[in-house]
Amino acid sequence: KAGVTQTPRYLIKTRGQQVTLSCSPISGHRSVSWYQQTPGQGLQFLFEYFSETQRNKGNFPGRFSGRQFSNSRSEMNVSTLELGDSALYLCASSFTLQETQYFGPGTRLLVL
Amino acid sequence: GEDVEQSLFLSVREGDSSVINCTYTDSSSTYLYWYKQEPGAGLQLLTYIFSNMDMKQDQRLTVLLNKKDKHLSLRIADTQTGDSAIYFCAFPSGGYNKLIFGAGTRLAVHP
Repeated sequence: KAGVTQTPRYLIKTRGQQVTLSCSPISGHRSVSWYQQTPGQGLQFLFEYFSETQRNKGNFPGRFSGRQFSNSRSEMNVSTLELGDSALYLCASSFTLQETQYFGPGTRLLVL
Repeated sequence: GEDVEQSLFLSVREGDSSVINCTYTDSSSTYLYWYKQEPGAGLQLLTYIFSNMDMKQDQRLTVLLNKKDKHLSLRIADTQTGDSAIYFCAFPSGGYNKLIFGAGTRLAVHP
């Protein structure tokens, strides 16, 4: 069974731009969560989707948003990029809520 | 609030055992997890333990859970150079899938 896939793997943007990251969960998994990893803050939860509904949200500004489609694929969007948004963005999927999460390889975003 | 603490660095000789420690504050978690991150990669699930267990063994990995002291440890037997990575303990919070992670322990294995 294929693992969690994320596209693109690497991205370079400039301040003020917006970016959309994509995540395809493991086949059959219906829950997708997003995390941001930075050297300073470590791994921080962004949000979680299940059955196309956001179930939980971390402490991030409204510039960070996401959605989930009927096939469980998810996208996250960051608008008006800031230098501090440079990070590794990780997506994780699980069969349902409160199940073990499996992570993708991440999208490394660099904001110049 | 919830918090997870880990020592930041561990250096071991190849063939020795490694023990990575983690302490946490939230005692309501059903599962506690160990993830491994190699350079430039995502997180790989290593193992997990149910909160009603004291120990779990999985090949070279042994997880010990002391619920009274809120202490979790991961022992890697016969540590190899391929085990060099950052190891994160994590537990779910809030009843959903939000994971709280420790800062990660960087394991360096030398000959």
